[in-house]
Parts: sequence; C-alpha cells; structure tokens
Amino acid sequence: DQQVKQNSPSLSVQEGRISILNCDYTNSMFDYFLWYKKYPAEGPTFLISISSIKDKNEDGRFTVFLNKSAKHLSLHIVPSQPGDSAVYFCAASAPGNPNFGNEKLTFGTGTRLTIIP
Amino acid sequence: NAGVTQTPKFRVLKTGQSMTLLCAQDMNHEYMYWYRQDPGMGLRLIHYSVGEGTTAKGEVPDGYNVSRLKKQNFLLGLESAAPSQTSVYFCASSYVLAALREQYFGPGTRLTVT
Repeated sequence: DQQVKQNSPSLSVQEGRISILNCDYTNSMFDYFLWYKKYPAEGPTFLISISSIKDKNEDGRFTVFLNKSAKHLSLHIVPSQPGDSAVYFCAASAPGNPNFGNEKLTFGTGTRLTIIP
Repeated sequence: NAGVTQTPKFRVLKTGQSMTLLCAQDMNHEYMYWYRQDPGMGLRLIHYSVGEGTTAKGEVPDGYNVSRLKKQNFLLGLESAAPSQTSVYFCASSYVLAALREQYFGPGTRLTVT
C-alpha cells in the first residue's frame, strides 16, 4: 500500500519557467512533509519541508504548498535552472513520541525533472 | 564535517556470499537508518536505530541484519546474498526532534549479486 504517491515519473520544463512537482498521500496521520533532491550516483539531499500547521513554506526559488483537505502537496521551482535536473522525492512523517519525534519517513517513488536549456 | 559516509561504494557478490556495509556519521545524530533504492520503488526502509545498542525492523528487513555498537556507526549485514538484494543502499541519520525530521543521507553503496 503506497501511502505517498508521486504519479508523474518524469517532467520536462523549459529553463526559466516554473516546475511543479506533485505528491499525494493517503495517511491522515502524516503531519510533516519533506522534499528531497537526488542526483545520479549521489545520496538524496534535503530540499525543503513543511509542517501540517502551515499551508506554504518558501525558501528562495523553492516553495512547498500543502493542501490537507486534498491530502496533496506540491513543490514549485521558480525560475527553473539546468542544475535543478534531478530526481525529486516526496516524503512524509507521522507524529511519534512527543519527546523524541518520529524516527521514520515514508517516501514516494520519485519524479525525474529535466530542465531544457 | 564529513556528514554521512558509506563503505564500500561498489561491491559485486556471488549468491550465498556475505558482506557488511559500514555507515558512519559525525553529526552526533541519535537516529540512523538503512534504505534500499530500486527502480520505480523509491526508498524503502530496511532497518533503523534510535540509539546506540538499539535496532528495529523497517519495511523490508528480511535477509539483512544490523548492529549499532557505537553511536556514530551503523552496520548492515547480508549473511547469504541473493540476486534480489541487488540494489543501491543508502544510510541516513537524523536528530531526535519532533519539529526537525530531516534525514541526512550518505552517497550510497551499489551492490550487485550474481
């Protein structure tokens, strides 16, 4: 049962335009969401996160939007640059021990973003 | 800071052989994890550890064992490798904070079992 879904395996966007990557989840207990970026032959690197108490979080060119009622989040990259070409993973976490947090993330299957110069 | 490092980077095993993958982190993180990544499957959690001397099973633990004898190290063992264990293995670590759940990943180990 895939609790975190990224339904688009790939996406191509012109350089300078907006890239929008989507992610859906089914577990209503998830309260923290993250995006990771992965280049070939490297480990995933953390990009941006959002808590369920917010509906938007922005960091430079990257903005994550959360729609709790639709159980949907999206990552916007504006403007897109060639270095943004990578695989992007969405991940989610449910609350755990109130003192220690939750130790586990559930990952989606990833979307390969290609920026066309 | 080196962050999270993994040894080795590549390995080819024959079916039935054993090996140990080593993960080390220098960020004083409590939590450590082992994932495998397969095409179209995303990252799947094998085992994890919430502190020195403790380990727990993840989503796909069968065929693997782990140990966390020191806080900075997390070992993943394959006792009798099978072709189904051909994958890229990632180690990760994180803080113990409810408001900060980012995991930091190593560069990966590409394992092929023939």
